Amino acid sequence: QVQLQESGPGLVKPSQTLSLTCTVSGGSISSGNYYWTWIRQPAGKGLEWIGRIYTSGSTAYNPSLKSRVTISVDTSKNQFSLNLYSVTAADTAVYYCAAFSYASSGGWFGPWGQGTLVTVSS
Amino acid sequence: QSVLTQPPSVSGAPGQRVTISCTGSSSNIGAGYDVHWYQQLPGTAPKVLIYGNSNRPSGVPDRFSGSKSGTSASLAITGLQAEDEADYYCQSYDSSLSGSYVFGTGTKVTVL
Repeated sequence: QVQLQESGPGLVKPSQTLSLTCTVSGGSISSGNYYWTWIRQPAGKGLEWIGRIYTSGSTAYNPSLKSRVTISVDTSKNQFSLNLYSVTAADTAVYYCAAFSYASSGGWFGPWGQGTLVTVSS
Repeated sequence: QSVLTQPPSVSGAPGQRVTISCTGSSSNIGAGYDVHWYQQLPGTAPKVLIYGNSNRPSGVPDRFSGSKSGTSASLAITGLQAEDEADYYCQSYDSSLSGSYVFGTGTKVTVL
């Protein structure tokens, strides 16, 4: 089973860009078995889907975040990345990367990375 | 932003049966999209418990079962154990507003 690990700064200043990378191990990100996604969870709150990418580079984003998000994939490094622009304190959350099993009837998320806390503060 | 509604909390004694509801609408569960369930133990990442409405991944005890009807779905835990104390989330796809994968509001299960 694939394993995922998030990495990136734990502190980002307001109005700047939040950048995270997810490294996939135990399988190739190009295998086509999964899409690759980002999900976040503010402290004490629920889960919010941010977006997903396929190995081809095809993306889909949460409409509420679409104007500020870019997800990219680097197959040579078996990694995919998240950029969230113009952040505010409301973007403070634990950010998870996860594999996504796509189905026409709606797919599900798993396995998940352990998550990384990103705080937006000056 | 959650379009799937769950009770904030449910509780039960060890060995009892508890159920968690997930209420959606005609643009998600009612439109025929599958419901999936996740368990989040304290301080850890969620893990899928039920996928495709009623399927258990390997390793998930058969004490956990899922069902779906109309615009809602349910997760049942039978023979409740102390280790089941966690947050549980349902998830589906919503076809409104350009489409998005959506999670429920979450339910805290407490073992008395």
